[in-house]
Amino acid sequence: QSALTQPPSASGSPGQSVTISCTGTSSDVGAYTYVSWYQHHPGKAPKLMIYEVSKRPSGVPDRFSGSKSGNTASLTVSGLQTEDEADYYCASFAGTKRGVFGGGTKLTVL
Amino acid sequence: QVQLQESGPGLVKPSETLSLTCTVSGYSISSTYYWGWIRQPPGKGLEWIGSMYQSGTTFYNPSLSSRVTISLDTSNNQFSLNLRSVTAADTAVYYCARDRGVRGEFDYWGQGILVAVSS
Repeated sequence: QSALTQPPSASGSPGQSVTISCTGTSSDVGAYTYVSWYQHHPGKAPKLMIYEVSKRPSGVPDRFSGSKSGNTASLTVSGLQTEDEADYYCASFAGTKRGVFGGGTKLTVL
Repeated sequence: QVQLQESGPGLVKPSETLSLTCTVSGYSISSTYYWGWIRQPPGKGLEWIGSMYQSGTTFYNPSLSSRVTISLDTSNNQFSLNLRSVTAADTAVYYCARDRGVRGEFDYWGQGILVAVSS
């Protein structure tokens, strides 16, 4: 059982937008501005896409954006492209538990 | 470009110790940043194991802390994971990563190594 709850799957057509949610509690997502998102193509190294809720590392397209409201964080992918098809994981600072992850969402580009 | 590569045995017997090494290139582990381990059991999500700073400061996942040791070898720019008394539940893909501050932010990852616990 992962600490953060994500939908197991999400999908969209090329060019569309899709939003993936990440629900935690007032002890993790709701308490801190340290929510990050990772893109993981199976067999490859996971890639940091968003950190500190909404910041993008250098090289990450601005089609990827992050936000947070209360205990739920969200990753939005706009202008979906076929290469966006991957597993996406959220993570949050959780105080004494340090870092906790979500169970992952498989994004399918139809 | 920062690169990380995990190495170690792919099979460990129950009750024994799982030992993995992460070799870092393109950045000195003696500099800023923590260095951490994360795992993913088959069909499950990611789980942070622990992270260590070059000063020796270490943080471990409370659920694993009694069995885990992370250490740094600055002369070889490597860091290691030891997980003692393993069971089948420790079967997972193990990743090493650069940790921005022990708050769930890892900006560079290795590709991962599958370790099975079985007799």
